[in-house]
Amino acid sequence: QKEVEQNSGPLSVPEGAIASLNCTYSDRGSQSFFWYRQYSGKSPELIMFIYSNGDKEDGRFTAQLNKASQYVSLLIRDSQPSDSATYLCAVIPTSGSRLTFGEGTQLTVNP
Amino acid sequence: DVKVTQSSRYLVKRTGEKVFLECVQDMDHENMFWYRQDPGLGLRLIYFSYDVKMKEKGDIPEGYSVSREKKERFSLILESASTNQTSMYLCASLSWGGGANVLTFGAGSRLTVL
Repeated sequence: QKEVEQNSGPLSVPEGAIASLNCTYSDRGSQSFFWYRQYSGKSPELIMFIYSNGDKEDGRFTAQLNKASQYVSLLIRDSQPSDSATYLCAVIPTSGSRLTFGEGTQLTVNP
Repeated sequence: DVKVTQSSRYLVKRTGEKVFLECVQDMDHENMFWYRQDPGLGLRLIYFSYDVKMKEKGDIPEGYSVSREKKERFSLILESASTNQTSMYLCASLSWGGGANVLTFGAGSRLTVL
């Protein structure tokens, strides 16, 4: 079982729709969860981090964490073509400070 | 803002050559990382360092070594480059505190080994 798994893409949504990106992790003791966005040819950049169960909102982005189900998601409301990118889920496991990344989900927002 | 600078954006090397990839961060961070990114495989951790002269193997350390002589600089070394080391290499620096836990990446170094 992979440490961090993301829903397979690519994901395509129309402009203005809600894009939902999902991630599961295997280490039940993980405490810190991150979403990174990576545009083609660029390096990843942090969008959001979440530590506590529940929702965390930042503008059009909402991160949701459910530790019991070992599940973290990212919702993008009112999706824009500029949101088209690969989204990487990352987790810091119990063992230390290293981040483990999922393979990423490619999102395309169609005008 | 944290700045992570990778000295080479594009490199082309021949099989067997020794390759140095340099990374510098400007925020006195203790933790630094080297990843490689390949299509279909995602980001994989090669090595990381939590202090000067301290290093730990990541998930795929074979064929690589690292050096951290100064806190701001973390170097990745390919002792004898091979074609399967053709990849995008990403350096990152980790900041803690203030409720934020942020990994900041450099722009990446795309290495081609012929």
